[in-house]
Formats: sequence, structure tokens, C-alpha cells
Amino acid sequence: ETGVTQTPRHLVMGMTNKKSLKCEQHLGHNAMYWYKQSAKKPLELMFVYSLEERVENNSVPSRFSPECPNSSHLFLHLHTLQPEDSALYLCASSQDVRDRIAFFGQGTRLTVV
Amino acid sequence: GIQVEQSPPDLILQEGANSTLRCNFSDSVNNLQWFHQNPWGQLINLFYIPSGTKQNGRLSATTVATERYSLLYISSSQTTDSGVYFCAAETSGSRLTFGEGTQLTVNP
Repeated sequence: ETGVTQTPRHLVMGMTNKKSLKCEQHLGHNAMYWYKQSAKKPLELMFVYSLEERVENNSVPSRFSPECPNSSHLFLHLHTLQPEDSALYLCASSQDVRDRIAFFGQGTRLTVV
Repeated sequence: GIQVEQSPPDLILQEGANSTLRCNFSDSVNNLQWFHQNPWGQLINLFYIPSGTKQNGRLSATTVATERYSLLYISSSQTTDSGVYFCAAETSGSRLTFGEGTQLTVNP
């Protein structure tokens, strides 16, 4: 248990569906991150939030829409995804964006059909 | 951006064996970390080691920053050590960049 909880653990969705991934951290951290892990590829940083403000968006398609309503919660809203978006989506948090140590959740395994 | 390469890509061991995993990086780093991802996807930080040597139980890591590589040593491996080991590096101008990982399987 790392203090970062992601739900759901598994999600299957059609290309026309809208769904959301949720991340909650109980560590009192101020920075939260979304990563994408595709098969046979390194983890890719998608978004960085610091004190609920998005500070980084790494050329992620608009069909992925993050939301950070407070420093403990982070969402990733999904709509009109493509099969190549199937991956493990990992959330992480750190004390702040300069902190070197990040704690990761267990991930949501997303399959787009 | 920084390039991070890990070797070997796959490693199969018998329980009790020792192993060394390597991470090469292409630039000077201010952050170098080793992670273990278990079969259920959980990513656990093992070491924050931009330079020097650290030990934690059966695991130890050494980073030679001037030569741009890091090594992770696993001694007396156990089946619970199975999973993917990632190295990740960060420079002053880039975020944490992950390597492709080493898939470790420890057989009983």
C-alpha cells in the first residue's frame, strides 16, 4: 500500500463511451501525475498537476481530459478513445513537483474495444 | 530529451541466485531512481540514487554519474522478486524518463 489508490482497477470501454479514471492520495502531497504504460514501452508522462493547477501536458490528445478538483484527487476523463489507447494508466503523487520521490498507485488496466 | 536504456530486457533466475541489472543514461542527471513493478501493476520505488551506493536488505544500487550508468544488485533472489524493474532518470531540463525495464522471473 503506497497511499495512492486508483479506481477502477480494470475497465473495458467502447470507442464511443465516456468514462473516468479516479486517483486519490492520502499522503498530503501537492503534486499529482498521470502516466501511460503501453505494452513493451516505457512509462510516458501525460499530465502534471501542482496544487490543483495543470503545470504540464505532454502532447496528449484531447480525448484525454484531466481534472484535479483538490490536491487529494485526480481524474482522467476519457471519451471517443481508440484501441491503441488500451494501456495501464498509472497515477502518482509527490510532496511537490520538485520532490524526487513519487508514489504510484496500482493502475487502471484500460481496454478499448 | 534524455535516453534511458536498460539491460538485459529479460532475465530468468533460480531462487537463491544473484543478479545485476544495468541502466545507461545519456545525460547528466539530478535524479536516478529504481522501481519494481509487481505482476499486479504496482510500481514501488526501490532507490533514489543519483550517485553513490545504497543498500536495502538484499537489494543494493550503485550509480556512477560520471560514466552515466547505474546498477541494481539483487542477492539471494526470491520468487517475490519477480516483476519488471525500471530505471528512471531526470535532468535539470526534463521530467523523469523511464527505461523499458528488465523483466525478471525467479523460479522456485
